[in-house]
Amino acid sequence: QSVLTQPASVSGSPGQSITISCTGTSSDIGRYDFVSWYQHHPGKAPKLILYDVTDRPSGVSDRFSGSKSGNAASLTITGLQAEDEGDYYCASYTTTITWIFGGGTRLTVL
Amino acid sequence: EVQLVESGGDLVQPGGSLRLSCAASGFTFGSYWMHWVRQAPGKGLVWVARINSEGTTTKYADSVKGRFTISRDNAKNTLFLQMNTLRGEDTAVYFCARDNPDSRGYSGPDFWGQGTLVAVSS
Repeated sequence: QSVLTQPASVSGSPGQSITISCTGTSSDIGRYDFVSWYQHHPGKAPKLILYDVTDRPSGVSDRFSGSKSGNAASLTITGLQAEDEGDYYCASYTTTITWIFGGGTRLTVL
Repeated sequence: EVQLVESGGDLVQPGGSLRLSCAASGFTFGSYWMHWVRQAPGKGLVWVARINSEGTTTKYADSVKGRFTISRDNAKNTLFLQMNTLRGEDTAVYFCARDNPDSRGYSGPDFWGQGTLVAVSS
């Protein structure tokens, strides 16, 4: 598999919740709990928002949460804010001792 | 403050070579694995390569194996990516990134630089 599968876009209104899915295989997400999520604004450095499926780095809002079931992981953002708009990528460690990213999801806050 | 600053991106002809650098500061560079990740125009992030803290083991994506070499100079807090036999599909912004020290295993990068653009075209 060359890339994890994410929806191309999601949208929500301020205050609402959204979930972004990330589907892999038994060789990546299904095998390890080493899934990370990144927020990326074009032209800037990607920002880590979740790692090890559910853990948040210091300084990341608790509005961001993660989960995993089988070969799929999810990122949920509650209480949407305008600043959450941007591109979101999942990533997973794989059985070939490499990392694989998702295709990215553009979040639009309406 | 952790800082990663990439440099060396340029326009290069197909078949050519380029060496990218990443200057690290704000952390003990020699204690961390490091990664290179790229993003082609309008596309998503793609992992390229990883090197361990001592510089003794490396791993590459299949798409660059045999053409790219990741290396580091811990005395100079600098990460490198030597890119040979460049192809049009290597056109991308190249990011260097630090491996996450808080992961219980191998969750990949935490801090990233802003990237440097490599364009491969005749």
